[in-house]
Amino acid sequence: NAGVTQTPKFQVLKTGQSMTLQCAQDMNHEYMSWYRQDPGMGLRLIHYSVGAGITDQGEVPNGYNVSRSTTEDFPLRLLSAAPSQTSVYFCASRLSGTGGHGYTFGSGTRLTVV
Amino acid sequence: KQEVTQIPAALSVPEGENLVLNCSFTDSAIYNLQWFRQDPGKGLTSLLLIQSSQREQTSGRLNASLDKSSGRSTLYIAASQPGDSATYLCAGFFGGSQGNLIFGKGTKLSVKP
Repeated sequence: NAGVTQTPKFQVLKTGQSMTLQCAQDMNHEYMSWYRQDPGMGLRLIHYSVGAGITDQGEVPNGYNVSRSTTEDFPLRLLSAAPSQTSVYFCASRLSGTGGHGYTFGSGTRLTVV
Repeated sequence: KQEVTQIPAALSVPEGENLVLNCSFTDSAIYNLQWFRQDPGKGLTSLLLIQSSQREQTSGRLNASLDKSSGRSTLYIAASQPGDSATYLCAGFFGGSQGNLIFGKGTKLSVKP
């Protein structure tokens, strides 16, 4: 099925460990982004990409790295996990342009850092 | 700064009632607004997308409106059902090739049988 696929669905990390959250889409969307969702805070943008080789920071980028080597994939890396990064992470994609195209979201990754 | 606000944060209604969820935004130069549904522990499901050139979009029992001049959008749910219980999020897209969605914090809807 066409859409945005996130893996893993659940993950528990120890403080200081590193990991990569995977995101892949098969809709040939140029734009991809990562959000985190926390109680009382809503969804906040971490990083985004407008195409392969181009990434930029969102509202809460500290502690996270991204790269975009292909149109399909946009992994999010936690270099040294902290308890403050316990959250639900969503990847989203859309066609590029100035409007007219809605976003498609993945099913999320629930991350707990202990 | 562009902001999106949803009030109330929670709403409880009896089954069968028609209801309206509210969303307001601070920048009238909005390109489009998207309504999502989120069930507990699940991802975001897109319900409706309204372009700035449109005033309404309908899908089944759902109707969304957009008023740029007043900075408001509403999601109307007709004949509510217990299965409609979920958190509803609105998100504004304010344009540009690097534009991003700005989310409200959601309205948690509970429809009582």
